[in-house]
Amino acid sequence: SAVISQKPSRDICQRGTSLTIQCQVDSQVTMMFWYRQQPGQSLTLIATANQGSEATYESGFVIDKFPISRPNLTFSTLTVSNMSPEDSSIYLCSVFRTSGRTYEQYFGPGTRLTVT
Amino acid sequence: LAKTTQPISMDSYEGQEVNITCSHNNIATNDYITWYQQFPSQGPRFIIQGYKTKVTNEVASLFIPADRKSSTLSLPRVSLSDTAVYYCLVGATYSSASKIIFGSGTRLSIRP
Repeated sequence: SAVISQKPSRDICQRGTSLTIQCQVDSQVTMMFWYRQQPGQSLTLIATANQGSEATYESGFVIDKFPISRPNLTFSTLTVSNMSPEDSSIYLCSVFRTSGRTYEQYFGPGTRLTVT
Repeated sequence: LAKTTQPISMDSYEGQEVNITCSHNNIATNDYITWYQQFPSQGPRFIIQGYKTKVTNEVASLFIPADRKSSTLSLPRVSLSDTAVYYCLVGATYSSASKIIFGSGTRLSIRP
C-alpha cells in the first residue's frame, strides 16, 4: 500500500487568490498524479508530475492556472491560481504501486477547496 | 481510450450480496479491470483488480467473462459501511494514468 498525506485538508479562499496544496508520499515514486473532483462528480485527471521534468497536463488544464512542482521523489505541490468559485472542488494526489503484474492506484485524502 | 458504463445508483439491504456490473466494450488486450470505492470526503480506495475469469480477495470478488467486455463486482453480505460510490476502471499500466478514465461510478446505498 501507499500512505499519502495532503495539506491543507480544506480551505476557504477568496476569488483572485492562489492556494498551494502539498502532497507527501511515504516512499519514492516516479510519477505523481493530481485529480480534481467537483461536487457530486467523478474524478478528472489534471496533470502528471514527474520528478526532474515539467508536468504533463491533460486537455482543459494549463500550467498557468495549475502550476505543479515536483522537487523530489516523495513530494509534489499543486497551486490553484487566480481562483474563481468554479475552482471549488476536492483536489487529490495519487500514485501507483505495482504488485507483480498488476498495479494499484492510491489516493490521498484530498483537499476540499471552497472559493467565495 | 476504454470507456466504462455502470448503473448510476443501486440500493440494497444489510446482509445481502450486491453485484455491480460494468460494461467496457472497447477494452484493449493489455487492459486490466480495477474497482475502487470512495466514501464521502475521502479519496478512492482500491478494492480489486483482474484481467480475466474470477478474482477474489478478502473484500470482494470480481467476475470477468471470456470476452472481457464487462465485469461484475460482487460484495458479499454488505453492511451499512459499504455505502459508497464504486468506480470501475480499465487501463493498461501504471504509467498510463491519463488513459484511465474515471466514469460516473455507482452510488450504492445500503439500508438496515
